[in-house]
Amino acid sequence: GESVGLHLPTLSVQEGDNSIINCAYSNSASDYFIWYKQESGKGPQFIIDIRSNMDKRQGQRVTVLLNKTVKHLSLQIAATQPGDSAVYFCAEMITGGGNKLTFGTGTQLKVEL
Amino acid sequence: DGGITQSPKYLFRKEGQNVTLSCEQNLNHDAMYWYRQDPGQGLRLIYYSQIVNDFQKGDIAEGYSVSREKKESFPLTVTSAQKNPTAFYLCASRKLTGGGEEQFFGPGTRLTVL
Repeated sequence: GESVGLHLPTLSVQEGDNSIINCAYSNSASDYFIWYKQESGKGPQFIIDIRSNMDKRQGQRVTVLLNKTVKHLSLQIAATQPGDSAVYFCAEMITGGGNKLTFGTGTQLKVEL
Repeated sequence: DGGITQSPKYLFRKEGQNVTLSCEQNLNHDAMYWYRQDPGQGLRLIYYSQIVNDFQKGDIAEGYSVSREKKESFPLTVTSAQKNPTAFYLCASRKLTGGGEEQFFGPGTRLTVL
Protein backbone atom coordinates (compact mmCIF):
# COMPACT_ATOMS: atom_id res chain seq x y z
CA GLY A 1 0.00 0.00 0.00
CA GLU A 2 0.92 3.59 -0.26
CA SER A 3 2.57 5.18 2.77
CA VAL A 4 1.44 8.64 3.74
CA GLY A 5 3.47 10.94 5.91
CA LEU A 6 4.31 14.51 6.51
CA HIS A 7 7.72 15.74 5.53
CA LEU A 8 9.20 18.75 7.23
CA PRO A 9 10.68 21.49 5.08
CA THR A 10 14.43 20.97 5.14
CA LEU A 11 17.24 23.49 4.97
CA SER A 12 20.72 22.14 4.23
CA VAL A 13 23.71 24.39 4.85
CA GLN A 14 27.46 24.00 4.90
CA GLU A 15 29.24 24.26 8.23
CA GLY A 16 30.32 27.85 8.77
CA ASP A 17 27.64 29.36 6.52
CA ASN A 18 24.76 31.46 7.82
CA SER A 19 21.30 29.88 8.04
CA ILE A 20 17.96 31.61 7.63
CA ILE A 21 14.83 29.80 8.74
CA ASN A 22 11.50 31.36 7.85
CA CYS A 23 8.09 31.19 9.47
CA ALA A 24 4.72 32.61 8.52
CA TYR A 25 2.44 33.17 11.48
CA SER A 26 -1.32 33.17 11.35
CA ASN A 27 -2.81 35.66 13.80
CA SER A 28 -2.31 39.38 13.27
CA ALA A 29 -3.26 39.91 16.94
CA SER A 30 -0.26 37.90 18.18
CA ASP A 31 2.15 40.09 20.10
CA TYR A 32 4.81 37.64 21.24
CA PHE A 33 6.89 35.23 19.17
CA ILE A 34 9.42 32.59 20.10
CA TRP A 35 11.82 30.19 18.43
CA TYR A 36 12.55 26.73 19.78
CA LYS A 37 15.14 24.14 18.77
CA GLN A 38 14.25 20.47 19.06
CA GLU A 39 16.78 17.68 18.73
CA SER A 40 15.57 14.20 17.87
CA GLY A 41 13.69 12.54 20.73
CA LYS A 42 14.06 15.53 23.06
CA GLY A 43 11.92 18.39 24.28
CA PRO A 44 12.14 21.81 22.60
CA GLN A 45 14.74 24.28 23.89
CA PHE A 46 14.21 28.02 23.97
CA ILE A 47 16.42 29.96 21.54
CA ILE A 48 15.17 33.52 21.36
CA ASP A 49 11.96 35.53 21.56
CA ILE A 50 10.65 38.88 20.37
CA ARG A 51 7.72 41.10 21.15
CA SER A 52 5.64 42.82 18.50
CA ASN A 53 6.94 46.26 19.44
CA MET A 54 10.32 45.25 18.04
CA ASP A 55 11.38 44.17 14.56
CA LYS A 56 14.78 42.73 15.41
CA ARG A 57 16.44 41.07 18.36
CA GLN A 58 19.87 39.55 18.63
CA GLY A 59 21.24 36.81 20.82
CA GLN A 60 24.42 34.81 20.77
CA ARG A 61 24.89 33.80 17.11
CA VAL A 62 21.15 34.14 16.50
CA THR A 63 18.95 36.98 15.27
CA VAL A 64 15.18 37.06 14.99
CA LEU A 65 13.46 39.39 12.55
CA LEU A 66 9.78 40.23 12.68
CA ASN A 67 7.76 41.69 9.82
CA LYS A 68 4.26 42.34 11.08
CA THR A 69 3.07 43.72 7.76
CA VAL A 70 3.34 40.32 6.09
CA LYS A 71 3.14 38.24 9.29
CA HIS A 72 6.61 36.81 8.82
CA LEU A 73 9.26 35.75 11.26
CA SER A 74 12.78 34.61 10.54
CA LEU A 75 15.63 33.10 12.53
CA GLN A 76 19.17 33.75 11.40
CA ILE A 77 21.97 31.56 12.71
CA ALA A 78 25.48 32.83 12.12
CA ALA A 79 28.39 30.48 11.40
CA THR A 80 26.24 27.37 11.53
CA GLN A 81 27.77 24.43 13.40
CA PRO A 82 27.00 20.69 13.32
CA GLY A 83 25.41 21.03 16.76
CA ASP A 84 22.81 23.33 15.21
CA SER A 85 21.29 20.40 13.30
CA ALA A 86 17.75 20.05 14.65
CA VAL A 87 14.14 20.96 13.94
CA TYR A 88 13.33 24.62 14.54
CA PHE A 89 9.83 25.76 15.49
CA CYS A 90 8.37 29.22 15.65
CA ALA A 91 5.43 29.90 17.93
CA GLU A 92 3.11 32.86 18.42
CA MET A 93 1.04 34.05 21.36
CA ILE A 94 -1.41 36.73 22.37
CA THR A 95 -0.13 37.74 25.81
CA GLY A 96 -2.79 37.70 28.47
CA GLY A 97 -4.99 35.45 26.36
CA GLY A 98 -4.47 32.30 28.40
CA ASN A 99 -0.75 32.43 27.61
CA LYS A 100 -1.19 29.80 24.91
CA LEU A 101 1.49 29.26 22.29
CA THR A 102 0.52 28.24 18.76
CA PHE A 103 3.32 26.35 17.04
CA GLY A 104 4.27 26.17 13.39
CA THR A 105 5.09 22.85 11.74
CA GLY A 106 8.86 23.26 11.96
CA THR A 107 11.89 23.28 9.67
CA GLN A 108 14.61 20.64 9.69
CA LEU A 109 18.10 22.19 9.60
CA LYS A 110 20.87 19.90 8.36
CA VAL A 111 24.46 21.06 8.65
CA GLU A 112 26.84 19.44 6.21
CA LEU A 113 30.53 19.15 7.00
CA ASP B 1 19.08 20.34 39.94
CA GLY B 2 16.04 22.32 38.79
CA GLY B 3 13.88 21.48 35.84
CA ILE B 4 10.94 19.59 34.44
CA THR B 5 10.85 15.82 34.59
CA GLN B 6 8.57 13.50 32.68
CA SER B 7 8.22 9.81 33.27
CA PRO B 8 8.40 7.30 31.85
CA LYS B 9 10.47 8.09 28.76
CA TYR B 10 8.81 5.27 26.81
CA LEU B 11 5.37 3.84 27.49
CA PHE B 12 3.49 1.01 25.84
CA ARG B 13 -0.21 0.52 26.20
CA LYS B 14 -2.73 -1.98 24.97
CA GLU B 15 -5.80 -0.70 23.21
CA GLY B 16 -8.64 0.05 25.60
CA GLN B 17 -6.39 0.86 28.55
CA ASN B 18 -6.05 4.18 30.30
CA VAL B 19 -2.52 5.38 31.02
CA THR B 20 -1.17 8.30 33.07
CA LEU B 21 1.89 10.33 32.12
CA SER B 22 3.77 12.12 34.86
CA CYS B 23 5.05 15.71 34.75
CA GLU B 24 6.82 17.33 37.70
CA GLN B 25 8.60 20.69 37.95
CA ASN B 26 10.65 22.21 40.75
CA LEU B 27 10.99 25.63 39.11
CA ASN B 28 8.13 27.14 41.14
CA HIS B 29 6.34 27.85 37.87
CA ASP B 30 2.66 28.75 37.98
CA ALA B 31 1.44 27.47 34.65
CA MET B 32 1.82 24.00 33.19
CA TYR B 33 0.96 22.68 29.75
CA TRP B 34 0.58 19.38 27.90
CA TYR B 35 1.28 19.09 24.19
CA ARG B 36 1.07 16.27 21.71
CA GLN B 37 3.55 15.95 18.84
CA ASP B 38 3.06 13.63 15.86
CA PRO B 39 5.89 12.77 13.43
CA GLY B 40 6.86 15.68 11.21
CA GLN B 41 4.41 18.04 12.88
CA GLY B 42 4.39 20.86 15.36
CA LEU B 43 3.09 20.77 18.91
CA ARG B 44 -0.63 20.83 19.63
CA LEU B 45 -2.01 21.93 23.00
CA ILE B 46 -4.02 19.35 24.94
CA TYR B 47 -4.63 20.98 28.34
CA TYR B 48 -3.13 23.76 30.41
CA SER B 49 -3.33 25.00 33.96
CA GLN B 50 -2.45 28.42 35.33
CA ILE B 51 -3.23 27.74 38.96
CA VAL B 52 -3.71 24.82 41.30
CA ASN B 53 -7.11 23.10 41.05
CA ASP B 54 -7.92 24.82 37.77
CA PHE B 55 -7.25 23.82 34.16
CA GLN B 56 -8.53 24.57 30.67
CA LYS B 57 -8.92 22.55 27.50
CA GLY B 58 -6.55 23.19 24.67
CA ASP B 59 -7.11 22.49 20.99
CA ILE B 60 -7.23 18.67 21.18
CA ALA B 61 -8.55 17.78 24.67
CA GLU B 62 -10.92 14.98 23.62
CA GLY B 63 -9.85 11.63 25.05
CA TYR B 64 -7.54 13.18 27.65
CA SER B 65 -7.92 14.27 31.26
CA VAL B 66 -5.68 16.15 33.71
CA SER B 67 -5.50 17.19 37.34
CA ARG B 68 -3.59 19.94 39.16
CA GLU B 69 -3.70 19.11 42.85
CA LYS B 70 -0.21 20.46 43.51
CA LYS B 71 1.69 23.32 41.93
CA GLU B 72 4.58 21.03 41.05
CA SER B 73 2.60 18.29 39.33
CA PHE B 74 0.34 18.09 36.27
CA PRO B 75 -0.36 14.46 35.29
CA LEU B 76 -2.03 13.63 31.99
CA THR B 77 -4.29 10.60 31.57
CA VAL B 78 -4.76 9.23 28.08
CA THR B 79 -8.08 7.45 28.14
CA SER B 80 -9.44 4.68 25.96
CA ALA B 81 -11.63 7.31 24.29
CA GLN B 82 -8.54 8.78 22.56
CA LYS B 83 -8.72 7.17 19.12
CA ASN B 84 -5.11 7.63 18.06
CA PRO B 85 -2.97 8.00 21.17
CA THR B 86 0.40 6.96 19.75
CA ALA B 87 2.49 10.14 19.86
CA PHE B 88 5.25 12.04 21.65
CA TYR B 89 3.86 13.90 24.67
CA LEU B 90 5.55 17.03 25.99
CA CYS B 91 4.97 18.87 29.23
CA ALA B 92 5.95 22.50 29.72
CA SER B 93 5.82 25.09 32.46
CA ARG B 94 6.06 28.85 32.78
CA LYS B 95 6.24 31.45 35.51
CA LEU B 96 3.37 33.86 35.08
CA THR B 97 4.61 36.77 37.18
CA GLY B 98 8.12 38.13 37.31
CA GLY B 99 9.30 35.91 34.51
CA GLY B 100 9.53 35.88 30.75
CA GLU B 101 6.87 34.59 28.41
CA GLU B 102 8.80 31.49 27.37
CA GLN B 103 7.68 27.99 28.26
CA PHE B 104 10.24 25.45 29.42
CA PHE B 105 9.83 21.89 28.20
CA GLY B 106 10.46 18.50 29.71
CA PRO B 107 12.20 15.65 27.84
CA GLY B 108 8.94 14.05 26.69
CA THR B 109 7.22 10.67 26.91
CA ARG B 110 6.81 8.53 23.81
CA LEU B 111 3.53 6.58 24.04
CA THR B 112 2.93 3.62 21.76
CA VAL B 113 -0.36 1.77 21.61
CA LEU B 114 0.06 -1.89 20.74
